[in-house]
Amino acid sequence: EVQLVQSGAEVKKPGESLKISCKGSGYSFTSYWIGWVRQMPGKGLEWMGIIYPGDSDTRYSPSFQGQVTISADKSISTAYLQWSSLKASDTAMYYCARQGSYYEFDYWGQGTLVTVSS
Amino acid sequence: QSALTQPASVSGSPGQSITISCTGTSSDVGGYNYVSWYQQHPGKAPKLMIYDVSNRPSGVPDRFSGSKSGNTASLTISGLQAEDEADYYCSSYTSSSTLWVFGGGTKLTVL
Repeated sequence: EVQLVQSGAEVKKPGESLKISCKGSGYSFTSYWIGWVRQMPGKGLEWMGIIYPGDSDTRYSPSFQGQVTISADKSISTAYLQWSSLKASDTAMYYCARQGSYYEFDYWGQGTLVTVSS
Repeated sequence: QSALTQPASVSGSPGQSITISCTGTSSDVGGYNYVSWYQQHPGKAPKLMIYDVSNRPSGVPDRFSGSKSGNTASLTISGLQAEDEADYYCSSYTSSSTLWVFGGGTKLTVL
C-alpha cells in the first residue's frame, strides 16, 4: 500500500527555521516525483515545487522560489520542505503528494499544519 | 487569483447530476490532457478523483466523470450522494514556469 506520512504540527515564531518531512512507503521512492502543496487557512491549493528523489532534480513554482527549499534523502525515503526564516504568512497546511504517470498527484500525505505566531 | 477558473459553489439534490467547470488557457488545460480533479472533505487531505482528463483511479465510483473541450475541463457527478459534499479542485500541467496550476476550488453542497 502506497503511503506518505508527514511529520507533526509545528508552532514557530517569526524568523525561526523549520524543516518538515514526508516519508514514502509501499513503492519505489526513487522512481516518482514528490510535490509540495500549500493550503492557507480557508483557501485553495497552491503548488510549491517538486523533487525527483532518484537524482534530487528539483523544480519550484516562481511564487515559492527562494522562499523554501525542497530536498530528499533517498536512503530513508523521505522528502523535506524547509524554511530558513519563517513569516506569519507561512501559516498554512502543507501537503506532500506523489506525482503519477499523467502529471496527477495520486497519493497525498495527511498534511502538516505550520503555525507561525509571535 | 488562481490560474484556473472554477465556480465558487454548486449545489444539487441527492440523485441529481452536477457539473463543475475549470477554465484555463491553451498553455495549460487546452494544451495538454494532463487535467486532474481532487476532492477534499473538511480537515482532510485532497483525494484524486480524475486524472488524464477522464480517467478514474481504482476505487473511485463511476458516478464521477471528466471531460474537456478546448480550454475548459469539466467534472460531472451523477446520482449525487450526501458524501459527495466537499470541495473540488481541478489541476493542470502548464507550459509556463509554474509547471502545475490549480483552480480556486468549488464547494459542492448536496441539498
